[in-house]
Amino acid sequence: NAGVTQTPKFQVLKTGQSMTLQCAQDMNHEYMSWYRQDPGMGLRLIHYSVGAGITDQGEVPNGYNVSRSTTEDFPLRLLSAAPSQTSVYFCASSFSSTYGYTFGSGTRLTVV
Amino acid sequence: GQQLNQSPQSMFIQEGEDVSMNCTSSSIFNTWLWYKQDPGEGPVLLIALYKAGELTSNGRLTAQFGITRKDSFLNISASIPSDVGIYFCAGRTQGGSEKLVFGKGTKLTVNP
Repeated sequence: NAGVTQTPKFQVLKTGQSMTLQCAQDMNHEYMSWYRQDPGMGLRLIHYSVGAGITDQGEVPNGYNVSRSTTEDFPLRLLSAAPSQTSVYFCASSFSSTYGYTFGSGTRLTVV
Repeated sequence: GQQLNQSPQSMFIQEGEDVSMNCTSSSIFNTWLWYKQDPGEGPVLLIALYKAGELTSNGRLTAQFGITRKDSFLNISASIPSDVGIYFCAGRTQGGSEKLVFGKGTKLTVNP
């Protein structure tokens, strides 16, 4: 099993550009989340989903959109990139948050 | 929103020493999780705790769910160089929310 796969691993964007960070899991997990990690800030929740067709906002949702059309995929869209969105983004999945999430290896995004 | 206060922020120890770190919150949690993150990778789940007072071990790691349900501790015994990394606590509050809240991490350096 591949687990949680994130693409791309690295990305540089210009301010104002849009892009989609891809996340796919092959474990048939219902629960999926997106976090961003900034130095000294730990992991902050952007959006999460408890199943296909169901999403909700986390702690820092502004500037990001998500959708969950299938169980396997949970893409994160940056609508108009800003330098403040420079960060490492992690996607995670679980069959229940009670038992913890499995994380992908991250996407390192730089906005110039 | 809920906040987890994780301490210490960083630790510099000699190989063979024991390590202790903790997380506290003003909110009651019904699940505590401890993760380790290696450089360039996503966090990996080490230990999960589900009941107040629970003490769980995973090799040289031992974690406890505080009896007040507002704190948790992680101990590492006889540290080795591969213990280097960032350790995160994460908690899930009462009320059925599927959100996980993360601490800001403890960066551990082990000198051989």
